[in-house]
Amino acid sequence: ETGVTQSPTHLIKTRGQQVTLRCSSQSGHNTVSWYQQALGQGPQFIFQYYREEENGRGNFPPRFSGLQFPNYSSELNVNALELDDSALYLCASSFRGQGNYGYTFGSGTRLTVV
Amino acid sequence: DQQVKQNSPSLSVQEGRISILNCDYTNSMFDYFLWYKKYPAEGPTFLISISSIKDKNEDGRFTVFLNKSAKHLSLHIVPSQPGDSAVYFCAAINQGGKLIFGQGTELSVKP
Repeated sequence: ETGVTQSPTHLIKTRGQQVTLRCSSQSGHNTVSWYQQALGQGPQFIFQYYREEENGRGNFPPRFSGLQFPNYSSELNVNALELDDSALYLCASSFRGQGNYGYTFGSGTRLTVV
Repeated sequence: DQQVKQNSPSLSVQEGRISILNCDYTNSMFDYFLWYKKYPAEGPTFLISISSIKDKNEDGRFTVFLNKSAKHLSLHIVPSQPGDSAVYFCAAINQGGKLIFGQGTELSVKP
């Protein structure tokens, strides 16, 4: 069984630019959630995708958007990057309907905005 | 609005002793809690969980205790080992089925 893979692992962008982060979900999982972890903080929920539609969103502005594809992989897009967007972005996959809330996390993408 | 709080940013324990990590929550509607462990450059990995209908769950060296009236849970690690050194996150499942994390506690187990 393959785990969750995220790409790229590290990224440096300039303020105002746009970025796309990618996530391949674990085999058998149909739901993908994205989290932002700032330095010294816990992961903050950005949004979740199920059946290619957004299924819940945290307190993040509309310039954070996402997609889920038929193979359950997902993208996180951030427009008009700000310095405060510098963080570790984590993707987690799960199987909706599974009672044990089995979230599997990827290793994350470290985004630095300069 | 921090619904899950870990008030101790760090904890240092001697190898072989007990580690106790604490977590408080504010939302009484949370009905499932989890602990995750995170090493640098890796994603969080699931450690142990507990349903709100229980007050204790044990898995080897790891035990989680839940006190619903106090809205408090704790993770006990006995005996602590150097390989347990990591950041530990407490998390709760909200009504929408989403994970809500605390800020994390960095555990250092010294030989």
